[in-house]
Amino acid sequence: GQQVMQIPQYQHVQEGEDFTTYCNSSTTLSNIQWYKQRPGGHPVFLIQLVKSGEVKKQKRLTFQFGEAKKNSSLHITATQTTDVGTYFCAGDWGGKLIFGQGTELSVKP
Amino acid sequence: GAVVSQHPSRVICKSGTSVKIECRSLDFQATTMFWYRQFPKQSLMLMATSNEGSKATYEQGVEKDKFLINHASLTLSTLTVTSAHPEDSSFYICSARSTEFGSPLHFGNGTRLTVT
Repeated sequence: GQQVMQIPQYQHVQEGEDFTTYCNSSTTLSNIQWYKQRPGGHPVFLIQLVKSGEVKKQKRLTFQFGEAKKNSSLHITATQTTDVGTYFCAGDWGGKLIFGQGTELSVKP
Repeated sequence: GAVVSQHPSRVICKSGTSVKIECRSLDFQATTMFWYRQFPKQSLMLMATSNEGSKATYEQGVEKDKFLINHASLTLSTLTVTSAHPEDSSFYICSARSTEFGSPLHFGNGTRLTVT
């Protein structure tokens, strides 16, 4: 069935260091979406990538969609304590979103 | 932006009772809503797709007779956990998207269910 693999599961960084999380799908995606969930909260939409090779930026966050539309990454430059949370990618299969396992980011001040 | 309201936010019930969770799209119509379950430190697992005016589509391994879904209008879907057991304790989250293809999911705030 549809599955999205996301690594790493946890990432602990010092404030100011960079952070990257990766997602892989076994099949081609129509689009991929990224969400952030703070502890105790619900997922909040960050961005959607649709085109092959697409790169989008939101301030210190850079999102990439692979040429084959099977993988994606989220890179945060110079992390801050406000970046703490779990980042999920979600693959879209005909309108149904399947989430990756998530990467929990902790930032040490 | 689009808002999805979920109620209640927390519920504690005794084993064997049923619990109903409501999910409303407040400023858009949602022909489709999704119900997810999230255990601590785990990802969101899709339980079922709720379709307005028709039967829900359940994911493999999800008991449709235990998790009753009703999508009676374009703005309301309900999930009823019947004969709840302690293992049903979890965080249940609904989500909805507008009819535009590829539009993002908007999540409710979730319901923390504890079955004693």
